[in-house]
Amino acid sequence: AQKVTQAQTEISVVEKEDVTLDCVYETRDTTYYLFWYKQPPSGELVFLIRRNSFDEQNEISGRYSWNFQKSTSSFNFTITASQVVDSAVYFCALSGTGFQKLVFGTGTRLLVSP
Amino acid sequence: DSGVTQTPKHLITATGQRVTLRCSPRSGDLSVYWYQQSLDQGLQFLIQYYNGEERAKGNILERFSAQQFPDLHSELNLSSLELGDSALYFCASSVVASGRFDTQYFGPGTRLTVL
Repeated sequence: AQKVTQAQTEISVVEKEDVTLDCVYETRDTTYYLFWYKQPPSGELVFLIRRNSFDEQNEISGRYSWNFQKSTSSFNFTITASQVVDSAVYFCALSGTGFQKLVFGTGTRLLVSP
Repeated sequence: DSGVTQTPKHLITATGQRVTLRCSPRSGDLSVYWYQQSLDQGLQFLIQYYNGEERAKGNILERFSAQQFPDLHSELNLSSLELGDSALYFCASSVVASGRFDTQYFGPGTRLTVL
């Protein structure tokens, strides 16, 4: 069975601080895909990034960066110089190749105060 | 804007009633997925359709059903509603069904409140 664990329920930071959101996953699939989605207070789910299990190259996109480590089954997400607009719930998700359902973690609520 | 549309945005109804949620996928996407987000269950996959055919089922109750029409829009039907069915229902779409994975893009959701 597939499982995603986001142990951090809520994180509060002050603007301009860096923050890392943790994600640990479990799967028996040899090929799988990992995702981060953002859910702002308005409620929609916004896709942020997708990584394939065979590509451990980490990525930086503006203030966002992702650290994928198969050895520890982790896919962590870092926001550099956080802003108030980053306040949202962030979900890590996992999918295998059998069929396409996404298995979501419980989410981490990020509160960025001015 | 993901390109996935859902109607209505909000729905308030009473226990025992039946409602229909509607979803239009992004242009070119053949797969439609339904998810339920509730406080106690989190985000859960309900069902997937690909080009009009059911492809996968998740934790979907027997009181719930879905279909995908020839124009690829999808409807989720919820019947004999209970208080516990109150949740945010998301539709997502992607190009493919399986094998070669594609990102799922989510609609804005329909918030269902059962009183």
